[in-house]
Amino acid sequence: QKEVEQDPGPLSVPEGAIVSLNCTYSNSAFQYFMWYRQYSRKGPELLMYTYSSGNKEDGRFTAQVDKSSKYISLFIRDSQPSDSATYLCAMSGNTGGFKTIFGAGTRLFVKA
Amino acid sequence: DVKVTQSSRYLVKRTGEKVFLECVQDMDHENMFWYRQDPGLGLRLIYFSYDVKMKEKGDIPEGYSVSREKKERFSLILESASTNQTSMYLCASSLMGQGKDYEQYFGPGTRLTVT
Repeated sequence: QKEVEQDPGPLSVPEGAIVSLNCTYSNSAFQYFMWYRQYSRKGPELLMYTYSSGNKEDGRFTAQVDKSSKYISLFIRDSQPSDSATYLCAMSGNTGGFKTIFGAGTRLFVKA
Repeated sequence: DVKVTQSSRYLVKRTGEKVFLECVQDMDHENMFWYRQDPGLGLRLIYFSYDVKMKEKGDIPEGYSVSREKKERFSLILESASTNQTSMYLCASSLMGQGKDYEQYFGPGTRLTVT
């Protein structure tokens, strides 16, 4: 079993839709939960992060962490064609090492 | 703006060649990382370094080595390139410390093809 599971998609939605992206994980030691966005032919860039459990909102983006279920989500409201990208979840914490573990990424297409 | 640059965007090498991938960051970050990214597998850590001349193996170090002689520069070396090392290689950097190392800044990537 992978430490972090993420559905690779692709996910195709019409402009204006609410998008839900999710990851599950197995290591309860993770404390930092991140979402990176990667446009085609670019490196990933940090979109949002959450420490421990709870919600965090930034404009049209909301990140949720449910540590009891080992489940994290990213919601995108009023999705735009410019949101078309691959979204990678990532996690790190006191796991006995330095590592951040990345999900495989979900490819999102927002159609105009 | 943090900037991480990689020496090449695209590289084609032959099997058995020695390959050098260079990465430079301009934000005085302590940590530097090399990943490879493959479809369906996500980012896998090859090596990382938390200080000059210091290195730690990641999940898939076999067939690779690294060098960090200066704080801003981290090199990945493929000693004898093989076709299964065809991949996208991403370099990243971050600050060190509790609550600071979660944010990694990535370069644009090098797409390496080994024929």
